[in-house]
Amino acid sequence: AQSVTQLGSHVSVSEGALVLLRCNYSSSVPPYLFWYVQYPNQGLQLLLKYTSAATLVKGINGFEAEFKKSETSFHLTKPSAHMSDAAEYFCAAAPGNQGGKLIFGQGTELSVKP
Amino acid sequence: GAGVSQTPSNKVTEKGKYVELRCDPISGHTALYWYRQSLGQGPEFLIYFQGTGAADDSGLPNDRFFAVRPEGSVSTLKIQRTERGDSAVYLCASSFQGSNGYTFGSGTRLTVV
Repeated sequence: AQSVTQLGSHVSVSEGALVLLRCNYSSSVPPYLFWYVQYPNQGLQLLLKYTSAATLVKGINGFEAEFKKSETSFHLTKPSAHMSDAAEYFCAAAPGNQGGKLIFGQGTELSVKP
Repeated sequence: GAGVSQTPSNKVTEKGKYVELRCDPISGHTALYWYRQSLGQGPEFLIYFQGTGAADDSGLPNDRFFAVRPEGSVSTLKIQRTERGDSAVYLCASSFQGSNGYTFGSGTRLTVV
């Protein structure tokens, strides 16, 4: 069965430092892939998505992710962290032909230190 | 509306009671999804509607859970004989024709005491 694994349930960086949140998926057929952000007591907001076009995907708030088929990875990066980036981040995969159903990773909480 | 609206935002109920959670999707969105998010976990798929029909209900945990979307717009998630393990945030999302990257509501936090 399709699964999504996020390495590290909690990541802490200093303001201005590089943000790297890791995501790996398991599938013989590359699915569509997504990153969502969730602020406290709010719904999930789409950051970016990969839909088999360009392998480097740019999203909102300066985030980007690179699809690497050989590594079955879709890691999320941002060159310089802001305090406002502190939130929970979820990687998700949409297996083909399943109507857009998403399979989520367990989430990574990002903390940003001043 | 401008976004996906879920009501109530919070619901506390006693074990064994029946609850209904409502989702009002973005106008014109034909696909509607329900997810459940337990504390410290990612959302788990429950059910997906395309129009009025449930296209995939494989995520419903048992027969105490049921969802309807009678007119292809508003959906109601119904939970019978609630258990403490049902406590979670229930998220609804909608999209146009099942296209990927849908819009989530803020969720209903259900607490069963």
